[in-house]
Amino acid sequence: GQGVEQPAKLMSVEGTFARVNCTYSTSGFNGLSWYQQREGQAPVFLSYVVLDGLKDSGHFSTFLSRSNGYSYLLLTELQIKDSASYLCAVRETSGGNYKPTFGKGTSLVVHP
Amino acid sequence: EAAVTQSPRSKVAVTGGKVTLSCHQTNNHDYMYWYRQDTGHGLRLIHYSYVADSTEKGDIPDGYKASRPSQENFSLILELASLSQTAVYFCASRSQNTLYFGAGTRLSVL
Repeated sequence: GQGVEQPAKLMSVEGTFARVNCTYSTSGFNGLSWYQQREGQAPVFLSYVVLDGLKDSGHFSTFLSRSNGYSYLLLTELQIKDSASYLCAVRETSGGNYKPTFGKGTSLVVHP
Repeated sequence: EAAVTQSPRSKVAVTGGKVTLSCHQTNNHDYMYWYRQDTGHGLRLIHYSYVADSTEKGDIPDGYKASRPSQENFSLILELASLSQTAVYFCASRSQNTLYFGAGTRLSVL
């Protein structure tokens, strides 16, 4: 089995940055995804990582450390519209089926 | 862009009644999923399917059935709706490492 943990809330300031953390425990890690979910809307895919290190995608970057069971999503040059929930999802190797498990999400509020 | 359509978008049901939530995808993805989302619990997997005419239990399948009659369609059935099943339900399909979600169905059981 596995667990995926995220802090419930995070606040930051427009023009700065925010780091959304995700820790997980799993018997067979096979990739981690990040999704953005705006209020009242469906989650939207942002990034997928399976190898250690930093993956830079411009406004969003993702980091993974498999040995520590840790990932973060880094948002730079924050805008008010980045206020949303950010969901971490971990895929565990289990009989070949693709069955991601989501954390509860981190609600990011960006203040002017 | 993958298209996943859910119906209805919202529904009010009575306790003990039967509820069917429908999901349709137009991109021929093999995997489809049903999640529920509640405040404080995040997204939890109810049922999923990787091929037509077959479904698999997720992490919280009790009280729910699923049906995948074709590649495109995946339904979630609540035979006897209960108050605890009030939630927002999301359907998703998968392409490689990306889930594409429908807009969600807000279900209220009274």
